[in-house]
Amino acid sequence: DAKTTQPTSMDCAEGRAANLPCNHSTISGNEYVYWYRQIHSQGPQYIIHGLKNNETNEMASLIITEDRKSSTLILPHATLRDTAVYYCIVETSYDKVIFGPGTSLSVIP
Amino acid sequence: NAGVMQNPRHLVRRRGQEARLRCSPMKGHSHVYWYRQLPEEGLKFMVYLQKENIIDESGMPKERFSAEFPKEGPSILRIQQVVRGDSAAYFCASSPPLAGANEQYFGPGTRLTVT
Repeated sequence: DAKTTQPTSMDCAEGRAANLPCNHSTISGNEYVYWYRQIHSQGPQYIIHGLKNNETNEMASLIITEDRKSSTLILPHATLRDTAVYYCIVETSYDKVIFGPGTSLSVIP
Repeated sequence: NAGVMQNPRHLVRRRGQEARLRCSPMKGHSHVYWYRQLPEEGLKFMVYLQKENIIDESGMPKERFSAEFPKEGPSILRIQQVVRGDSAAYFCASSPPLAGANEQYFGPGTRLTVT
């Protein structure tokens, strides 16, 4: 079972920052937080991951709280092409990815 | 460097027929994962394979489903005697050895429709 809780859906205005929250209160010390997204009818796409520190790449930023029980994915300037389902995942093993239901993000023009 | 390739992209089968889904991993990747996504549902892990070995098949239905990843050639997900409930999108992912979840690269999927 997924170890994360996310809102079912969110809206964001085009050009604004999209902030997607994720709760992972049972995360253990060596577990990373991963974010994937799935644009309609496509395969999932890796976005970013982190352990303790905040992370940033060309796609997004990941903010992890100090107690590591929650995190936020930030898309700094959302575009219509960012409309997708976003999955927050906690995983330790070199094995399968356990996807929860994710957050359906709609970017509104 | 080509990404993960899956074929066919769309497959229509009648009830009782067999479905064969193929997955070619990225170059240099020796690990393959299959996931299923039923309509309006999330992705569910099915099976994890390395070359010539099944590592984890905990998500595979007990009957009619099988998977292989031979020494040469693509990975095959085989569904025998398909039923309407098998209609879904089947995604394959590949990774290099000892990869974390950030290194699974997904293919475009095969959409199976059972009529």
